[in-house]
Amino acid sequence: NAGVMQNPRHLVRRRGQEARLRCSPMKGHSHVYWYRQLPEEGLKFMVYLQKENIIDESGMPKERFSAEFPKEGPSILRIQQVVRGDSAAYFCASSSPPASYEQYFGPGTRLTVT
Amino acid sequence: AQSVTQLDSQVPVFEEAPVELRCNYSSSVSVYLFWYVQYPNQGLQLLLKYLSGSTLVKSINGFEAEFNKSQTSFHLRKPSVHISDTAEYFCAVILSGGSYIPTFGRGTSLIVHP
Repeated sequence: NAGVMQNPRHLVRRRGQEARLRCSPMKGHSHVYWYRQLPEEGLKFMVYLQKENIIDESGMPKERFSAEFPKEGPSILRIQQVVRGDSAAYFCASSSPPASYEQYFGPGTRLTVT
Repeated sequence: AQSVTQLDSQVPVFEEAPVELRCNYSSSVSVYLFWYVQYPNQGLQLLLKYLSGSTLVKSINGFEAEFNKSQTSFHLRKPSVHISDTAEYFCAVILSGGSYIPTFGRGTSLIVHP
């Protein structure tokens, strides 16, 4: 029974490149959440998606960041034209329908922008 | 808006000693409370939660937390820690009747020395 999968685990990008982070939720889960963790800070909510719908993107930066959760395949967090300040750990979590207070987290993707 | 304060960024303790990790929250409405643990290079795992009922909740590995409404606190305790408890601990709150998106504290690093 696989848990939440994220890949890649580590991603290095140069300034100006694009970063694509993938998240496969637990089997049977159709709610996905993305968080960003900066050093010595807690997790900051970015976006909440259900299949083919963005439910809440109040934590997403207005520019360069986008997320999707298609009918088939993993959820994708996309960062265009990365800058050094985007370096962080990005975590995905999933929950089962109906929406639950319990979220299951993936191992994270550590993005380093050089 | 709700907020979560974890007063200690680091708590060093010797093995077999008791420990308390503090968490206070602010909210004008009822909340649900959670403690998550993050081991190095891993995602967050739910340790315990308070939704309703008994204000004292316990985990399977000896941790417990008590919801104190008057003091708006949800401190985490363990009477005797092990080396393997070394990890980052995050307190989180979800507004009752609101979205399912938690607000996290900044985390407390528990360091258990032999």
